Amino acid sequence: AQSVTQLDSHVSVSEGTPVLLRCNYSSSYSPSLFWYVQHPNKGLQLLLKYTSAATLVKGINGFEAEFKKSETSFHLTKPSAHMSDAAEYFCVVTLYNFNKFYFGSGTKLNVKP
Amino acid sequence: DVKVTQSSRYLVKRTGEKVFLECVQDMDHENMFWYRQDPGLGLRLIYFSYDVKMKEKGDIPEGYSVSREKKERFSLILESTSTNQTSMYLCASSLGGRASEQFFGPGTRLTVL
Repeated sequence: AQSVTQLDSHVSVSEGTPVLLRCNYSSSYSPSLFWYVQHPNKGLQLLLKYTSAATLVKGINGFEAEFKKSETSFHLTKPSAHMSDAAEYFCVVTLYNFNKFYFGSGTKLNVKP
Repeated sequence: DVKVTQSSRYLVKRTGEKVFLECVQDMDHENMFWYRQDPGLGLRLIYFSYDVKMKEKGDIPEGYSVSREKKERFSLILESTSTNQTSMYLCASSLGGRASEQFFGPGTRLTVL
């Protein structure tokens, strides 16, 4: 069963414009949610995480995400894209036991000059 | 600084050969994971270990086995490689618990000819 869905496989934005990467999850329990970034030929790096505290989570490099339980969403946003943001982004959820992580299929972000 | 290391960045093997991928973490984490990453499929869990000598199958364990004899070390074994095992293999570790994220190694790109 799919536990996390990234709604766009590719997103293209112009430098300086907002970024929105969408993620929906399915869970009967209160999940923990994460966003990771993977630059070309690099390992995965944690951007931010939600673990039941504030629903608006701020991460590194100006990214933030909002946990919306009613919509089962955890979309990633950034007000102004930079060329260095071009990468693949993964939404990740852990469910009841918090020891297994379920990955979305990834969204590739392209930033045009 | 936390660190997960993998024994090789690139490997090229012939069909039927045995492959041994090693992962070491220096954070005293309880949990360790092996994933494979393929374009458009995100990360898929092969095996997971929550303690020394303990393991649990992930979503795609067929054709793989694992070993965890020491807490810091988690090995992935491909007894007889096939071309469909050509992939990027990622190791990760986590402390465990609700707020715990995963830390990833740089990955091993395995090509089976």
